[in-house]
Amino acid sequence: AQKITQTQPGMFVQEKEAVTLDCTYDTSDQSYGLFWYKQPSSGEMIFLIYQGSYDEQNATEGRYSLNFQKARKSANLVISASQLGDSAMYFCAMSSRSYNTDKLIFGTGTRLQVFP
Amino acid sequence: EAQVTQNPRYLITVTGKKLTVTCSQNMNHEYMSWYRQDPGLGLRQIYYSMNVEVTDKGDVPEGYKVSRKEKRNFPLILESPSPNQTSLYFCASSPRPGNEQFFGPGTRLTVL
Repeated sequence: AQKITQTQPGMFVQEKEAVTLDCTYDTSDQSYGLFWYKQPSSGEMIFLIYQGSYDEQNATEGRYSLNFQKARKSANLVISASQLGDSAMYFCAMSSRSYNTDKLIFGTGTRLQVFP
Repeated sequence: EAQVTQNPRYLITVTGKKLTVTCSQNMNHEYMSWYRQDPGLGLRQIYYSMNVEVTDKGDVPEGYKVSRKEKRNFPLILESPSPNQTSLYFCASSPRPGNEQFFGPGTRLTVL
């Protein structure tokens, strides 16, 4: 069965510092996608970054990068130069590309607090 | 502006009173899904649709119905809501399976 595990319920980081949010996954699919979403206190889900299972390079989007270690089945999100506006819940999610289904499996989330 | 819209955004209702949460997307996406978010559980898929008139159950379909009569709309129906359906609901759409999903703003439902 597919599963996403986020072991950090909460993280604190000082402004301008980098932070890593952990995500491990379990799947028997060969082709899958990994996503990170941000959910601020206002509630909307904001897409941050995507990594395909066959992508050889780690994905980057501005201050966000995804540290993809396929053998370890981990897909950690790295936020560089944290800002106060980064305080939010962060969800790791996985999709299967092997079957004709459209489902994201989500982790339970990590609440990030950025302090001045 | 490309977006997914949901209505209502907030709803308080009573047990057993049928309700519908609407979802509409203007991106011509074939794939649409409904999720519910509960504390400590992340988001779980309720139903999804791969095209008009094609729907299938997700992980937690009990107590919900959906329909997909038009490509852009994917309403979620609760025929007889119960308090355990109190949750934050998200509609999402994507152009292809496995792609990034675009989420609506969410509907916060309270069933008394």
